[in-house]
Amino acid sequence: QSALTQPASLSASPGQAITIYCSGTSTDFGTSKFVSWYRLHPDKAPQLLIYEDSERPSGISGRFSGSKSGNTASLTISGLQVDDEADYYCSSYTSNNAFMVFGGGTKLTVL
Amino acid sequence: QVQLNQGGTGLLKPSETLSLTCGVSGGSLSAYYWAWIRQPPGRGLEWIGHIDQGGSTNSNPSLKSRVIISVDPSKKQVFLKVGLMTAADTGLYYCARVLGTYSMDVWGKGTTVTVSS
Repeated sequence: QSALTQPASLSASPGQAITIYCSGTSTDFGTSKFVSWYRLHPDKAPQLLIYEDSERPSGISGRFSGSKSGNTASLTISGLQVDDEADYYCSSYTSNNAFMVFGGGTKLTVL
Repeated sequence: QVQLNQGGTGLLKPSETLSLTCGVSGGSLSAYYWAWIRQPPGRGLEWIGHIDQGGSTNSNPSLKSRVIISVDPSKKQVFLKVGLMTAADTGLYYCARVLGTYSMDVWGKGTTVTVSS
């Protein structure tokens, strides 16, 4: 059982926007604990999309945005493209920085 | 551009020890934490553990007694050993570079590990 909760699957059409939510406890999402988001395409290395709740690494499209409020983080993808069809994971870390935790993953279908 | 090149044994028998290597090219090894993550078939990502710049490690409590993570700075390599492997340890194993706020910005392509008698 994952420490962070995500919807197992979502679907949307090309051009639409979609938001993936990730919820945890105050232990996971305390005020000083940042959330990251990753995209997994089959046969490719996982890709960091968002770090520190809302920051985008260099090279990541502005179509991806992140936020966090209380114990819930979210990843919004605007202008969905077929290539966005992938698995998305949120991640954070425990209160004593002892270890990292992932959400269960969300399979996004773009059709 | 930093790249992580993964290698190691992909097929093991139950009770054997998994040994994986992650080579760092194009960037510093000593300036970062390094993590290992795995994904069992059909399931989500699971953090295995990480090692910091000083060589201190931390690992998932569910695996802790079986996991050893180490580095060789001279070779710019990160190592993972997992003892007493079972079929439940089958999956895709990744190494990743960890930034200061525990996000992982560079990942290897993964090594498929199968445990079968």
